[in-house]
Amino acid sequence: KAGVTQTPRYLIKTRGQQVTLSCSPISGHRSVSWYQQTPGQGLQFLFEYFSETQRNKGNFPGRFSGRQFSNSRSEMNVSTLELGDSALYLCASSPEGTGYGYTFGSGTRLTVV
Amino acid sequence: DQQVKQNSPSLSVQEGRISILNCDYTNSMFDYFLWYKKYPAEGPTFLISISSIKDKNEDGRFTVFLNKSAKHLSLHIVPSQPGDSAVYFCSPHSGGSNYKLTFGKGTLLTVNP
Repeated sequence: KAGVTQTPRYLIKTRGQQVTLSCSPISGHRSVSWYQQTPGQGLQFLFEYFSETQRNKGNFPGRFSGRQFSNSRSEMNVSTLELGDSALYLCASSPEGTGYGYTFGSGTRLTVV
Repeated sequence: DQQVKQNSPSLSVQEGRISILNCDYTNSMFDYFLWYKKYPAEGPTFLISISSIKDKNEDGRFTVFLNKSAKHLSLHIVPSQPGDSAVYFCSPHSGGSNYKLTFGKGTLLTVNP
């Protein structure tokens, strides 16, 4: 059974640019959520999608957005990158998004210079 | 509003000894509690959980204790092994968690040979 796949694994961008990260969930999982990990703040929730609908959004500026496709794959986009956006971005999939059964991908390490 | 606190950013123990990682929470609506383990450059992996109707759950070398009145849980690892060196995140959950996981900031455990 394939795990959660995130691409790319590493990314270096310049301030002001935009970036798109991709997440392919475990087959059959309909919920995909995104988290940002930084040294000072731990793991913070960005947003969750289920059947192409965003059901919840964390406390992040509007520069952070996402979407989910009909095959449950998800993308997140960050526009007008800032230095503080440098982080590990993690995607998690689960069958229903109810708390149990979450599986995380290995993350995308974004560095903004 | 930090609902989950892991007050020890790091812990160092000798191989073979007991490791005790602590977590405090404020929301009395949490009804089950997860522990995740995370190695660098990887996503968190589920380790062990406990329901609020129990006060102890054991799985091999890992035991989680829950004290609901104190809103406190702890993870015990006995005996500790070098491969246990990782960041451990506490993640309480409830039916009203709105499809997201809430994490403490994590404790870095180092097990010295």
